[in-house]
Amino acid sequence: DQQVKQNSPSLSVQEGRISILNCDYTNSMFDYFLWYKKYPAEGPTFLISISSIKDKNEDGRFTVFLNKSAKHLSLHIVPSQPGDSAVYFCLFYNTDKLIFGTGTRLQVFP
Amino acid sequence: NAGVTQTPKFQVLKTGQSMTLQCAQDMNHEYMSWYRQDPGMGLRLIHYSVGAGITDQGEVPNGYNVSRSTTEDFPLRLLSAAPSQTSVYFCASSRQGYSNQPQHFGDGTRLSIL
Repeated sequence: DQQVKQNSPSLSVQEGRISILNCDYTNSMFDYFLWYKKYPAEGPTFLISISSIKDKNEDGRFTVFLNKSAKHLSLHIVPSQPGDSAVYFCLFYNTDKLIFGTGTRLQVFP
Repeated sequence: NAGVTQTPKFQVLKTGQSMTLQCAQDMNHEYMSWYRQDPGMGLRLIHYSVGAGITDQGEVPNGYNVSRSTTEDFPLRLLSAAPSQTSVYFCASSRQGYSNQPQHFGDGTRLSIL
């Protein structure tokens, strides 16, 4: 029973354009939603978060959107840069669960 | 500024062998946890600890033991390794557990069980 799904295992985007990564979830009780980025041979690093009471949070080139009615979380990266090429995981928290998505590999090409 | 340090980075074991994966953090974080990452399955929580002397099971605890005698260290033990435990293991720490406090991850231990 996969409560969090990242349906696109990979995404390829040209440098300068927008990258959109998505997570869908089934449990409405999550309190916080986070995005992590992971480079090969390194641990995941925190990128940006949003609480369930908000629908948008921005940090520089990164914006996270939460659509609670659709149970959908997305990460927008604008403009995309080659250094953004990595695997991106969404992470969902509530009081007794912590669930990672399966990851989306983003490749930004020149 | 070490953060979360995991050792070893790579290990090959034979079925039935035992091993301890080490994790240490220097940020005085209360919360520490172990995950395994398998292809197509994201990261899954094995065990976690909300402070010294306190541990609890995560999503996939079978075959693993943990202890937390100090704030800094959170070792993961495989008592009798099985091929199904071949995976990449990540240790993480944060100031609080189950909140929006971002977790800090180590660089991982790649473990192969033959």
